Amino acid sequence: QKEVEQNSGPLSVPEGAIASLNCTYSDRGSQSFFWYRQYSGKSPELIMSIYSNGDKEDGRFTAQLNKASQYVSLLIRDSQPSDSATYLCAVTILTGNQFYFGTGTSLTVIP
Amino acid sequence: GAGVSQSPRYKVAKRGQDVALRCDPISGHVSLFWYQQALGQGPEFLTYFQNEAQLDKSGLPSDRFFAERPEGSVSTLKIQRTQQEDSAVYLCASSPRAGVPPEQYFGPGTRLTVT
Repeated sequence: QKEVEQNSGPLSVPEGAIASLNCTYSDRGSQSFFWYRQYSGKSPELIMSIYSNGDKEDGRFTAQLNKASQYVSLLIRDSQPSDSATYLCAVTILTGNQFYFGTGTSLTVIP
Repeated sequence: GAGVSQSPRYKVAKRGQDVALRCDPISGHVSLFWYQQALGQGPEFLTYFQNEAQLDKSGLPSDRFFAERPEGSVSTLKIQRTQQEDSAVYLCASSPRAGVPPEQYFGPGTRLTVT
């Protein structure tokens, strides 16, 4: 079983809509959760981190964490064509130094 | 300031050749990670350094893979006797903190193609 699961998509939303990206993880020892954005042919860049249950907002981005359900999500409000990219969910496990990445969800924002 | 840099950006190797991939982390960053990213997949952890100490190498896929960071700054990932399945983008990331760092800054990657 993969540590981190994401729907690979593609997910398409119209410009201005809310994009919702979801991620589940298998290890209850996971302690830190991250969302990275990766444009085609580029390296991942960190857009959000979240460590405790609840919501965390940063501009148009909101990360939501539910440790009981082992679920983390990313909402992108007022989606823009420049948000079109692959979004990677990553978690760190309590016992190690490793980051586990999901396979990523491809998002396309249609003008 | 300067970010993480990697060289070469592209490498084509014939099967059986040895390759060396270089990573220059952000100055002063304690932690350094190597990842392998196959096409259409997320990055897969290879190894982790805290300063010059390699604390975790559990992700290295075989004994053909070797990494070092002798002075706690620049790191080299070496792959011996390359195989076609080694073709991937190799990403290096650094973080200012030790232990389990919350944030990693990625380099542009080295795209390795084994023919």
